[in-house]
Amino acid sequence: GNSVTQMEGPVTLSEEAFLTINCTYTATGYPSLFWYVQYPGEGLQLLLKATKADDKGSNKGFEATYRKETTSFHLEKGSVQVSDSAVYFCALRPSTGTASKLTFGTGTRLQVTL
Amino acid sequence: NAGVMQNPRHLVRRRGQEARLRCSPMKGHSHVYWYRQLPEEGLKFMVYLQKENIIDESGMPKERFSAEFPKEGPSILRIQQVVRGDSAAYFCASSPPASGSTGELFFGEGSRLTVL
Repeated sequence: GNSVTQMEGPVTLSEEAFLTINCTYTATGYPSLFWYVQYPGEGLQLLLKATKADDKGSNKGFEATYRKETTSFHLEKGSVQVSDSAVYFCALRPSTGTASKLTFGTGTRLQVTL
Repeated sequence: NAGVMQNPRHLVRRRGQEARLRCSPMKGHSHVYWYRQLPEEGLKFMVYLQKENIIDESGMPKERFSAEFPKEGPSILRIQQVVRGDSAAYFCASSPPASGSTGELFFGEGSRLTVL
């Protein structure tokens, strides 16, 4: 079946540090890949997405590249801010089957300190 | 343009009572998904509905849980005879019809159920 594996958290960084959150997936075919962010007490918001191999999704300084050869979609940001503190979820949508049924990773909590 | 609306935001029930969670999708969206988030865990798919139809309920527990999305009104997730293990955040998400979908889900702020 489909699955998403994320690096365990929490990840604690100082402001302006470089961020990488690893995400790998298992799926048949060519799934679409997503990063969602959840701020405390809120629902999930789409951060970025990529729908085919070698696509790069980007938003708010965050980037992730769809790597088919390594089945990965690692999230990166060059300089984090305190306001980036949240839980980040990697997710996939299979290329066939139920329209937008997403499979999520367990989430990685990011804490950014001054 | 209102987003996905869920209510109640917080719900407290005693063991054995019933919980009803409501979700109104975004305007123009006809697909509704329910996910459950247990403490310190990711989101687990429960059920996918379109108006008056359950499309995929592969993530729903076999007993006590049911969902509907009537022709008029919000989608409802119903949990009968709640137990402490049902304590979780329940998120609703919606998406437009398949022809207009990019695969993105739009989430509500969640309903947090606490069972005493």
